[in-house]
Amino acid sequence: QKEVEQDPGPLSVPEGAIVSLNCTYSNSAFQYFMWYRQYSRKGPELLMYTYSSGNKEDGRFTAQVDKSSKYISLFIRDSQPSDSATYLCAMQKTSYDKVIFGPGTSLSVIP
Amino acid sequence: EPEVTQTPSHQVTQMGQEVILRCVPISNHLYFYWYRQILGQKVEFLVSFYNNEISEKSEIFDDQFSVERPDGSNFTLKIRSTKLEDSAMYFCASSTTGYNEQFFGPGTRLTVL
Repeated sequence: QKEVEQDPGPLSVPEGAIVSLNCTYSNSAFQYFMWYRQYSRKGPELLMYTYSSGNKEDGRFTAQVDKSSKYISLFIRDSQPSDSATYLCAMQKTSYDKVIFGPGTSLSVIP
Repeated sequence: EPEVTQTPSHQVTQMGQEVILRCVPISNHLYFYWYRQILGQKVEFLVSFYNNEISEKSEIFDDQFSVERPDGSNFTLKIRSTKLEDSAMYFCASSTTGYNEQFFGPGTRLTVL
């Protein structure tokens, strides 16, 4: 079983839709969970950073972590064409540890 | 807003040549990292660096790779004898103490011919 898994997509939605992106992982030692956005041939841009289980909201973005199910989600409300990118889930065992990335989900928001 | 910068943006080299990729982390950050992403694949950890020494390295980071913080601002990755399979985007990241998000630079695209 891979350490971190994501549906690669591509996911295509109309502008204004609610987008749900998901990730599963196998190692219960992970405690810190992140979502990064990556535009083509650019560096990952941190969107959300959470510790342990629970929800975190920032503007149009909501991150959810369910450690009991080893499942994390990112919701994007009122999606915009500028949200079109690859979304990478990522996690760490400790706050200073290397980041382990998922393979990413490609999202297209159609005007 | 402070950001991680990397130079060059694109490096083309011949197989067997040495390359040095440069990074300027965010100024008050203490932890430094290199990652790479082969085209179409996931971002992979190479090495972490703290207090002027390597904290952890992956199995990718073999004897051909080295890192250095030559002064108070730069952080470099050297590949001594490049191979075709070293072609990838190389990302530098940095973080500070406490709530420890890693911030990534824009990357250097390395092409080995």
